[in-house]
Amino acid sequence: SQTIHQWPATLVQPVGSPLSLECTVEGTSNPNLYWYRQAAGRGLQLLFYSVGIGQISSEVPQNLSASRPQDRQFILSSKKLLLSDSGFYLCAWRKGVLDGYTFGSGTRLTVV
Amino acid sequence: LAKTTQPISMDSYEGQEVNITCSHNNIATNDYITWYQQFPSQGPRFIIQGYKTKVTNEVASLFIPADRKSSTLSLPRVSLSDTAVYYCLVGGYGGSARQLTFGSGTQLTVLP
Repeated sequence: SQTIHQWPATLVQPVGSPLSLECTVEGTSNPNLYWYRQAAGRGLQLLFYSVGIGQISSEVPQNLSASRPQDRQFILSSKKLLLSDSGFYLCAWRKGVLDGYTFGSGTRLTVV
Repeated sequence: LAKTTQPISMDSYEGQEVNITCSHNNIATNDYITWYQQFPSQGPRFIIQGYKTKVTNEVASLFIPADRKSSTLSLPRVSLSDTAVYYCLVGGYGGSARQLTFGSGTQLTVLP
């Protein structure tokens, strides 16, 4: 069966520090991968998606970036965090566009 | 992408049937309707997906009228553990991975 792993679960980082969140999927190949962010009490905002290795599409301009160095690995990064980057970050995958998303357990990021 | 409108919140009592309606007036021909459930500090979980008429699975039913401009998620005999945020998403296929956008969702509170 397929599983998705996301870490860390919680993170407290100072303003201006770098960020690296990692997501891996097991049990499938060539998944579509996604990074979402959810602000407190709000819906999910799509940040990045990837249909293959090295292929990244950005949905919103920001100081975040994403990379997909391997087929089942998706990384969210920032060189310098802002206070506004605080939120709940979720990685998700789906096999095809007619399939439902499967989400990871999320990372609660607090920028202080 | 089709915009969706849902009630912000709903209350119900244990054992009742709950119907949550979502409006999507500009749904496209190739758009599917998908519902997710999200508990606090967790990623959303796929509930059900449909294109037209009625779809039923072990946890919910989805009713879609002929014009497809709205849809209704029906949860039979809710329990306290069904308290969560429910998201209606509309999106289709056509070669792009970015097909689904999450709105603010409906906070369902089940009371004893």
